[in-house]
Amino acid sequence: ETGVTQSPTHLIKTRGQQVTLRCSSQSGHNTVSWYQQALGQGPQFIFQYYREEENGRGNFPPRFSGLQFPNYSSELNVNALELDDSALYLCASSQRLALDTGELFFGEGSRLTVL
Amino acid sequence: AQKVTQAQTEISVVEKEDVTLDCVYETRDTTYYLFWYKQPPSGELVFLIRRNSFDEQNEISGRYSWNFQKSTSSFNFTITASQVVDSAVYFCALSEAINAGNMLTFGGGTRLMVKP
Repeated sequence: ETGVTQSPTHLIKTRGQQVTLRCSSQSGHNTVSWYQQALGQGPQFIFQYYREEENGRGNFPPRFSGLQFPNYSSELNVNALELDDSALYLCASSQRLALDTGELFFGEGSRLTVL
Repeated sequence: AQKVTQAQTEISVVEKEDVTLDCVYETRDTTYYLFWYKQPPSGELVFLIRRNSFDEQNEISGRYSWNFQKSTSSFNFTITASQVVDSAVYFCALSEAINAGNMLTFGGGTRLMVKP
């Protein structure tokens, strides 16, 4: 186990609703990244938070937003849900930047289904 | 733009066979990092290896080995004497050093099934 925990593990929403996903990073890690993984595809980078500020964003619309808290835990918020938002959302934590340390520690993900 | 291609979507082998997972990447950067991750059915991605673009030495770790060739933009992964526990989806990923932090570009993954 990596020590990265995500909640909820599964959830079902309907189009237009809003969702909040949560991530507790591994102890000592101050950087959190979020990835979206559609079924049968590789993960896609959404954004990253370092010391409570967004520090890098992928090609996702503004209705995808996030927060990082002083304890380095993080939330991913998605507004106005669309069917294509159905995916596994993965959180990854690292001590500062993964390029320095060589690895990200991923949680088991939150599987979101939008009906 | 960076891109990672894993042409093999699914591979099936019998236990104890050797298997190679292919990865081809595209980047305009001269400094970049390559990764392999394993995703078991539980969902979390498990880090296997990181390589930077200046280190073309092949690496071996137990039954795992990696072959990095800049000339062909490939970073292939070989499992020797495969075991049932190796069954998972394997992802190759790339990060350009110019990008801040942990933005990895993943390939589409290769599902490896090892049968007893």
